[in-house]
Amino acid sequence: GNSVTQMEGPVTLSEEAFLTINCTYTATGYPSLFWYVQYPGEGLQLLLKATKADDKGSNKGFEATYRKETTSFHLEKGSVQVSDSAVYFCALKRIQGAQKLVFGQGTRLTINP
Amino acid sequence: ETGVTQSPTHLIKTRGQQVTLRCSSQSGHNTVSWYQQALGQGPQFIFQYYREEENGRGNFPPRFSGLQFPNYSSELNVNALELDDSALYLCASSLYSGGSYNEQFFGPGTRLTVL
Repeated sequence: GNSVTQMEGPVTLSEEAFLTINCTYTATGYPSLFWYVQYPGEGLQLLLKATKADDKGSNKGFEATYRKETTSFHLEKGSVQVSDSAVYFCALKRIQGAQKLVFGQGTRLTINP
Repeated sequence: ETGVTQSPTHLIKTRGQQVTLRCSSQSGHNTVSWYQQALGQGPQFIFQYYREEENGRGNFPPRFSGLQFPNYSSELNVNALELDDSALYLCASSLYSGGSYNEQFFGPGTRLTVL
């Protein structure tokens, strides 16, 4: 079946540090891949996405590249800010069928000033 | 443009009771999905509704049921509540058009506690 595995959290960094959150997936076919962010008390917000191999999604300084050969979609940011503190979810969606997102367990990120 | 809204924000029920959660889709959207997010976990897909019919379901028992109304708002009903049903329930809406779905937008969720 389809599944997503994220690196264990929580992750604590200092402001301006480099961020990597690992994500690997198992899926039949070639799914679309997503990163969502959840701020305290809020719903999920789409951060970025990629729909085919070697695509790079980017938004607000975050980037992730769809790597078919390693079945990975790692999230990176060159210089994090306190406002990036949140829970980050990697997810996949099959191309066909219902719009069913399969999420990883989430990684809590805390940025200290 | 109004985003996805959910009600109530919080809810406390006892085991065996029934609960109804509500969701108003974002304007212009015609598809609604529901997810269950247990504490410390990622959301799990419950089901999706399009044109008032369920068109996709995750691994949830039949006591989880839903409705979509002509105005595309939706309800999630859970019968015979169990302690493990305690979770954040998220609603998401999107537009299905031309054979594909646009981006899903999530509501803030309803926090259900079962005692």
